[in-house]
Amino acid sequence: AQSVTQLDSQVPVFEEAPVELRCNYSSSVSVYLFWYVQYPNQGLQLLLKYLSGSTLVKGINGFEAEFNKSQTSFHLRKPSVHISDTAEYFCAVTDLNSGGSNYKLTFGKGTLLTVNP
Amino acid sequence: GAGVSQSPSNKVTEKGKDVELRCDPISGHTALYWYRQSLGQGLEFLIYFQGNSAPDKSGLPSDRFSAERTGGSVSTLTIQRTQQEDSAVYLCASSPRVLLGEQYFGPGTRLTVT
Repeated sequence: AQSVTQLDSQVPVFEEAPVELRCNYSSSVSVYLFWYVQYPNQGLQLLLKYLSGSTLVKGINGFEAEFNKSQTSFHLRKPSVHISDTAEYFCAVTDLNSGGSNYKLTFGKGTLLTVNP
Repeated sequence: GAGVSQSPSNKVTEKGKDVELRCDPISGHTALYWYRQSLGQGLEFLIYFQGNSAPDKSGLPSDRFSAERTGGSVSTLTIQRTQQEDSAVYLCASSPRVLLGEQYFGPGTRLTVT
């Protein structure tokens, strides 16, 4: 079984500051990793994904994440945030060897990023 | 193009009543998912449809929950004899392919059971 831990439920930052949202996962096999963003009163949208290859992946809106296999982490970063980045961010994982069930995403509980002026 | 749509956007119902939640996936997407989002609990997988294959119902929390997908397109999630713990946001997502986690989410239906 796999699980995802988002260590911070809330992260307040000031505009133009850097931010890191932490995500750790547990799985006994190889995984695909994702970050989704949910703006207020909207559904989730894919921010970025790691499937294979380079461990540093870039997504939309200037976000990037780094896959660290030894630390089983996939932290999300942005060097300078905007007020419009205020949203809830979800880390998700799918297991490559779950008997063909790798359509199932296991989500973390989310991190609410609040960007203040 | 049009995204995933869900209706109603909000539903308030009395305990014990049945409710139906509807999802219209993106045209051409073969995979459809239902999730439940409770406050502070992240997203909980409920059910998955892929083409004409038997759905994966392993995430449904009880036999009061059921879902169907007609004609490989529209899906309905039905909750019978609703309980207060069913109050949550129900999210639908669709995907053009099974793999790789690229799911496109609708705005959700907020269900409140009084």
